[in-house]
Amino acid sequence: GESVGLHLPTLSVQEGDNSIINCAYSNSASDYFIWYKQESGKGPQFIIDIRSNMDKRQGQRVTVLLNKTVKHLSLQIAATQPGDSAVYFCAEKGGSQGNLIFGKGTKLSVKP
Amino acid sequence: DTGVSQNPRHKITKRGQNVTFRCDPISEHNRLYWYRQTLGQGPEFLTYFQNEAQLEKSRLLSDRFSAERPKGSFSTLEIQRTEQGDSAMYLCASSSWDRGSRDGYTFGSGTRLTVV
Repeated sequence: GESVGLHLPTLSVQEGDNSIINCAYSNSASDYFIWYKQESGKGPQFIIDIRSNMDKRQGQRVTVLLNKTVKHLSLQIAATQPGDSAVYFCAEKGGSQGNLIFGKGTKLSVKP
Repeated sequence: DTGVSQNPRHKITKRGQNVTFRCDPISEHNRLYWYRQTLGQGPEFLTYFQNEAQLEKSRLLSDRFSAERPKGSFSTLEIQRTEQGDSAMYLCASSSWDRGSRDGYTFGSGTRLTVV
């Protein structure tokens, strides 16, 4: 069965606001997590990753937070822009697994 | 290196025909993965290779599906006797397997298969 899921299927934000996209995972053995952005007709694009020995990692305008206690992952996008409109997926990898397991995705819409 | 390359981008085939897709990974990546994605869903794992060895296959990979990576570089995914349910985006990804370094998992743009 699916072990990674997202709380909200759609998220609509105003341009310039911050966005928070959430993800729950069920495999406590997962040790690596990635957020991907996918635009229509394209493959998933890597945004940011985090290992289980960290609880926060920052990139350019994006921050990933990992709460292992409640098995929760979030992606924060600062000053959301129209170009951020896409479907966002979280993915996890278990310790000895080679493959990633994806959730269903959250569609982010940015209103100008 | 321009990333993970997949060909063709689109394929329309009649039910019952065989199709083959190709994936060229990032050259320094030793792991290559195949995923399938249907509309509105996240990618589903099919199989992966480390160098030329196929290390894992999902139960989604029926007997009609076969993947190869003969020289540990590019890979092909063949679907025999295609069915309408095979219509999907087939994604390839590659990564480096090296403890202590970032795994990568870079995806290609996919091959969109439509079975009519």
